[in-house]
Amino acid sequence: EVQLVESGGVVVQPGGSLRLSCAASGFSFDDYTMHWVRQAPGKGLEWVSLISWNGGSTYYADSVQGRFTISRDNSKTSLYLQMHSLRTEDTALYYCAKDIRGGNSRFDYWGQGTLVTVS
Amino acid sequence: DIQMTQSPSSLSASVGDRVTITCQASQDISNYLNWYQQKPGKAPKLLIYDASNLETGVPSRFSGSGSGTDFTFTISSLQAEDIATYYCQQYENLPPMYTFGQGTKLEIK
Repeated sequence: EVQLVESGGVVVQPGGSLRLSCAASGFSFDDYTMHWVRQAPGKGLEWVSLISWNGGSTYYADSVQGRFTISRDNSKTSLYLQMHSLRTEDTALYYCAKDIRGGNSRFDYWGQGTLVTVS
Repeated sequence: DIQMTQSPSSLSASVGDRVTITCQASQDISNYLNWYQQKPGKAPKLLIYDASNLETGVPSRFSGSGSGTDFTFTISSLQAEDIATYYCQQYENLPPMYTFGQGTKLEIK
């Protein structure tokens, strides 16, 4: 069974930094592109970042480019999101999500999310 | 950037009704369009991929159609457990980019 478990969300002051983690299990983690997607309270979904299966390629939404860094440790089957220069508009539930094998197209499994509050 | 316009933003229907949600892209996206269901307090769930393909395990009352700029998501016979917010999502490959529609909140009348 695929499981994605996020952690690391806390209350942080504007301008602060935070690192989110996502522990993956139940699938061959190093075969898949992984994503972070966020959802502000009461709002819709926003894609944040992706990392390829080997970490060789990373992409970001314009809203976080230059402030957030996605990484992964395949030996620990874990995904990370390092967040710097946090703004109040970064307040959201952050989900990690798995893509399909060989693709960069859709999010077929999601974690339950970790809440980041910038205040 | 490609913009996705989803409508309606909310919808009230009765059990057994046929429900339709539309999503329009600001430019041609071929069939690069997925649909998700998000129940309150839960993570989104993939229902339809590449415009019209039903994800494994998803009931057949859910369907999708369209290509280019205009897409439709349909529930053929609404069930009480379908109460949720539904999102369309488009993807681009070069470079990878993903955009969600604003969501449609579906309620039981």
